This record gives sequence, C-alpha cells and structure tokens, in this order.
Amino acid sequence: AQKITQTQPGMFVQEKEAVTLDCTYDTSDQSYGLFWYKQPSSGEMIFLIYQGSYDEQNATEGRYSLNFQKARKSANLVISASQLGDSAMYFCAMRGGADGLTFGKGTHLIIQP
Amino acid sequence: DAGITQSPRYKITETGRQVTLMCHQTWSHSYMFWYRQDLGHGLRLIYYSAAADITDKGEVPDGYVVSRSKTENFPLTLESATRSQTSVYFCASRDIVDTSGRIYEQYFGPGTRLTVT
Repeated sequence: AQKITQTQPGMFVQEKEAVTLDCTYDTSDQSYGLFWYKQPSSGEMIFLIYQGSYDEQNATEGRYSLNFQKARKSANLVISASQLGDSAMYFCAMRGGADGLTFGKGTHLIIQP
Repeated sequence: DAGITQSPRYKITETGRQVTLMCHQTWSHSYMFWYRQDLGHGLRLIYYSAAADITDKGEVPDGYVVSRSKTENFPLTLESATRSQTSVYFCASRDIVDTSGRIYEQYFGPGTRLTVT
C-alpha cells in the first residue's frame, strides 16, 4: 500500500519569502510518480509539478521546484518568492503501480503581507 | 468548452435517495477517476476507469456505483445515499502512460458539493 505523509497542517509565511512544504512517501513500487496540487479557497484542484521516480534531476516549473530525495523518500515542494496568491491548500500525491492517486492530508499555506 | 465538467455543482438530497453525479471530459483521455474530499482525509479514490466499459474499485468504493459506456462520460451513482456520503466529489481524467514511462498528471473537474440530510 502507498502512503503520503504531510506533517505540516498549516504554515504562515511572509510574502516574498521562500516556502518549503514537506512530503514523505512510502511505497514498494520501483516506478512511481509524485505530484503536487494546489487547492485555493475556490475549491478547484490545480496541478503544479511532477517528479518521476527515475528522473535524475529535480523537477522545476516556474517558481515551483520539487526537492526529491529518493533515499529518504521525500518530495518537498519549494515555492520561491511567495506571493499572496499562493495562499491555499497544497496536496502531495503519488501514483505507483496501480491507477489513481494517493493523496496526503494537505498543508494549509497562508502568505502574510 | 474543452476540459472536464461536473454536474450538478451543488446537490442536497435525503437519506435513502439515489443520486447521480455526472462527469464529462472533452480530451478523450483514457483514464477517469472519482475522488471524495473530506476534512482531515485529503482526497480518496472511489472508483476509476481505464477505458470505456472497464472500471475498478479504489480505496472507498462501498455505497457507490459507476459506469462508463462512452469514453467521455463517467457518472457516479449513490444508490441509497447516507449522511456519511456528504462530501465534495471530484472527477478527474488523465492520458495513458507514455512510452518514456512518464506518468501523466490528472486534471480535475470543479467538484460537486453533496449534502445528504
């Protein structure tokens, strides 16, 4: 069985600071994918970034990067230069051998001016 | 409009009634999924479908039925709604795994907020 753990239920960060959202995972699959999604207060789920288990480079998408440490089974999301619009719930998820995503419980990020 | 849509967006129903949530996608994605989101649980997979006429159970399938007669539609039916099925329901779709092994992200619909009284 796969499991995703997000240990930070909530975070307060000052605008323009960098943010690291923690995610650890557990799986027995050799090939898997890790995803981060953002859910603003409006409720939609927005895909942010993807990391494959065999990718040697950490994934980056604009201000988002994924700090992938395979041996530690961690896939932390880093947001550089945070903005007020980054305030949202953030979910880490993974897909392994079976279809469908396993989600963590999320981190509620609040950016303060 | 291209994308993935869900209807209705809001629904209030009574215990014991049957209710169907609709999901429609225009990308011709092979895979479609239903999740429920509850406070403290994140999103949990209910059912998924790899293609038309192929469906399989996810983590929390009890009390739900799905069908997929057409690639673009994936309705979710609560045969006899219970209060514990009060939740936000998300439909999602994705393309198949490509030859490089990349696993495509899932694209989510806007969600349906269901209240069972």
